[in-house]
Parts: sequence; C-alpha cells; structure tokens
Amino acid sequence: GAVVSQHPSRVICKSGTSVKIECRSLDFQATTMFWYRQFPKQSLMLMATSNEGSKATYEQGVEKDKFLINHASLTLSTLTVTSAHPEDSSFYICSAKPGVINSPLHFGNGTRLTVT
Amino acid sequence: SQKIEQNSEALNIQEGKTATLTCNYTNYSPAYLQWYRQDPGRGPVFLLLIRENEKEKRKERLKVTFDTTLKQSLFHITASQPADSATYLCALARPGAGSYQLTFGKGTKLSVIP
Repeated sequence: GAVVSQHPSRVICKSGTSVKIECRSLDFQATTMFWYRQFPKQSLMLMATSNEGSKATYEQGVEKDKFLINHASLTLSTLTVTSAHPEDSSFYICSAKPGVINSPLHFGNGTRLTVT
Repeated sequence: SQKIEQNSEALNIQEGKTATLTCNYTNYSPAYLQWYRQDPGRGPVFLLLIRENEKEKRKERLKVTFDTTLKQSLFHITASQPADSATYLCALARPGAGSYQLTFGKGTKLSVIP
C-alpha cells in the first residue's frame, strides 16, 4: 500500500533555531501534500497545502515566513520551522494523496517537536 | 464556518461488545465523510469513506452510517477487541476544496477492556 515516510520522528531544539521536517511518498507520486499540526487532545489542524513546483497555500493564521514549505519533487515536501519558540512545540504530521481516483490520504507518522 | 463534533471524548467498552462513535457536523453538506484511526504518537490511518448517497458502508467488523438529514455519521466496531483501542477521528473535506483539504474532529478515544 501507499506509504508516507516522515523524518525525524522526534526533535528537540533550542529556542531561536530552525528545524526541517521531511515528508516523502515512498511508492507513489504526490503532486499535493498537506501539513497538519496537532496539540494534545486537539484535532489535527491544517497548516498548509504543498503543491509540487509552486508556492504552498497557507491557512489563515499560519505565518508563511515562519513555516517554510518546499515541495521540491513529486515525492518530497519539507516543512521548516524557522526561529522556533516553545509555543511551536507540537506534533506535526504530513499527508499525501496518490493520483489514483478515490484514493484516500496517507499520513506520515508525525514529528514531535519540542522547543526548549 | 464548518464545524465537526465528536461528542464523546472517551469511550470505554467491554471486549466483545459493539462500540458506537458519533460524529456530527454543521454548516456544511459534504459529498463524503471519512473515518481514521490514530494511535498515540502516530499519524492517522484511513479506515472508511462514505459518500452522501450511501446510507451505510461496511468493512470487516467496521460499519459506518451517514445521515445527511441529521448531519451525523455513526461508526460501529462490532465484537470489539483490546487491539481496537485507539482514537478515532472523523473528517470532512472542505467545501470546494477539491476534496482533500480535510477538517478533522477532535476524536474519540476508545478503550476496549478485556
């Protein structure tokens, strides 16, 4: 089945530094990937839609200069959290949709970011 | 704005019983609704999709119903097992979103007690 790999699974960084999270579709091409954030006991909140070869579309309230998204190829999207602050600590999850009609989204296993 | 409510934050049931989870939505008429399973520290895993013209859908021990009049979906797990313990999320596609920008409910944490 379709597999989405997300790396790293956990990262701890100091306040003010930047962190890059990778999302790869391993056995399918994904023209569109999605980045979500999930706080404890809360729902997944869509942050941005990542389109291969073009700029990402950000949800209202998400700072595009802080959360940089690069969809470099049909199998790779990256999210960089710049100048991280403790309030950015969260669970970040990517998802991708195969091009097959009616195929559901496939999610990565998430990245637990802790900013100290 | 579109709102999804899963009105039980947690549900405990005895092994072998049927678990029923509820998802209600407002301010939208979705073409379909999806259910996902999420284990702690993991990403969601797709379980079932039901379209607006489908009343019921089954997959092994899972059954989903979709009542567009009540704006409600019910998710059933029959003959529940401890391995079914997880958080279950319902999700709707955004209006006019090309179907895959999903809005999720907060989820219901199911615990199946042996």
